[in-house]
Amino acid sequence: DAGVTQSPTHLIKTRGQQVTLRCSPISGHKSVSWYQQVLGQGPQFIFQYYEKEERGRGNFPDRFSARQFPNYSSELNVNALLLGDSALYLCASSYTLGAAITDTQYFGPGTRLTVL
Amino acid sequence: DQQVKQNSPSLSVQEGRISILNCDYTNSMFDYFLWYKKYPAEGPTFLISISSIKDKNEDGRFTVFLNKSAKHLSLHIVPSQPGDSAVYFCAANFGNEKLTFGTGTRLTIIP
Repeated sequence: DAGVTQSPTHLIKTRGQQVTLRCSPISGHKSVSWYQQVLGQGPQFIFQYYEKEERGRGNFPDRFSARQFPNYSSELNVNALLLGDSALYLCASSYTLGAAITDTQYFGPGTRLTVL
Repeated sequence: DQQVKQNSPSLSVQEGRISILNCDYTNSMFDYFLWYKKYPAEGPTFLISISSIKDKNEDGRFTVFLNKSAKHLSLHIVPSQPGDSAVYFCAANFGNEKLTFGTGTRLTIIP
């Protein structure tokens, strides 16, 4: 069975540009979460979507937005890129909300975004 | 405000010995704790978890201990193997809230 997939693997953008990152969850999983991992830090929560609705938002500016599609895949959009947006962006999927025994979040390999 | 803390950025352990990774938290609302392992260029891989109603959970070579009064959890790996060399993240959540991660501990197993 395929795990969580993300595209693209790497991306280089310049300041002020916009970027769209994509995520496909594990088959049967209905919840997708996005995390940002800056070098030397742990992943920081950005968004959680469940059944196409936003269920949680982290402390990120409005330049960050996301959506979930009927097939449960998801996109993360970042507008007006800043140098500080350079990071590994991780997508995680789970069957339902939360992280109980049966609802553990499983992560994709991430998209490495570099902003020049 | 770092609600989940891993105070040891790195740890080196001889192959075959026990590795002990520590994690402290400040939010008493957390009721579920997880350990993830991360290799370079890969996403975090779920390792083991524990509910706040338990104080120990074991899965093969991996055991997680939770001390709620001290707001402390630890991951024991025994015996340690070279393939265990990775960055280990402690994470916590409550209800349906987001996962809050620590900053990670880089474990190096010395052959």
